[in-house]
Amino acid sequence: EIVLTQSPATLSLSPGERATLSCRASQSVSSYLAWYQQKPGQAPRLLIYDASNRATGIPARFSGSGSGTDFTLTISSLEPEDFAVYYCQQRSNWVGTFGQGTKVEIK
Amino acid sequence: QVQLQESGPGLVKPSETLSLTCTVSGGSISSYYWSWIRQPAGKGLEWIGRIYTSGSTNYNPSLKSRVTMSVDTSKNQFSLKLSSVTAADTAVYYCAREYCSSTSCYTIVGYFDYWGQGTLVTVSS
Repeated sequence: EIVLTQSPATLSLSPGERATLSCRASQSVSSYLAWYQQKPGQAPRLLIYDASNRATGIPARFSGSGSGTDFTLTISSLEPEDFAVYYCQQRSNWVGTFGQGTKVEIK
Repeated sequence: QVQLQESGPGLVKPSETLSLTCTVSGGSISSYYWSWIRQPAGKGLEWIGRIYTSGSTNYNPSLKSRVTMSVDTSKNQFSLKLSSVTAADTAVYYCAREYCSSTSCYTIVGYFDYWGQGTLVTVSS
């Protein structure tokens, strides 16, 4: 099983600041990585797929990068609605696995 | 706009079978893979398994012995059964559609582009 490790567990930032979230895979997943945003009481929302492609309707302030085992989600300038939990997910085999999540909270 | 809605009992007794159905509206269930994902309170996401509209399934090895999925294309529905439940199975259960991007989902799981709102299932006597 491929394990995804996200860091940090919590990121405390102010609106307007840049957020950088990390996801590391226990083995290469090529570029088969997605990022999701989840707000309290809601289902996750797909933000980024194939490491760097924004899903439909996702603002340009969200960007993804990386390949192999190391991936980054960057939010260039945090908006109030961006404070949430973010998960990464790999699809390099037929067992889908998620990271444990990074909470982006208001400082 | 595709919408998914989970339905089923919110309370299941230990050792019994959890049964949930996901109804898809706003689009056809055909030619897609459909997954179940769960999330214990305050914790992360766990992929349970998936089903194609042909009935072909893949299950998470950690749950495989207890999971059965089925699909009813005439009703645009797919279902999950999880047997011998314990308190550890208490979670919000989501159904989701797989998005395959540039690579087929035939041999690898997809991403998840449409999700149901989730339904809380509590295992308790």
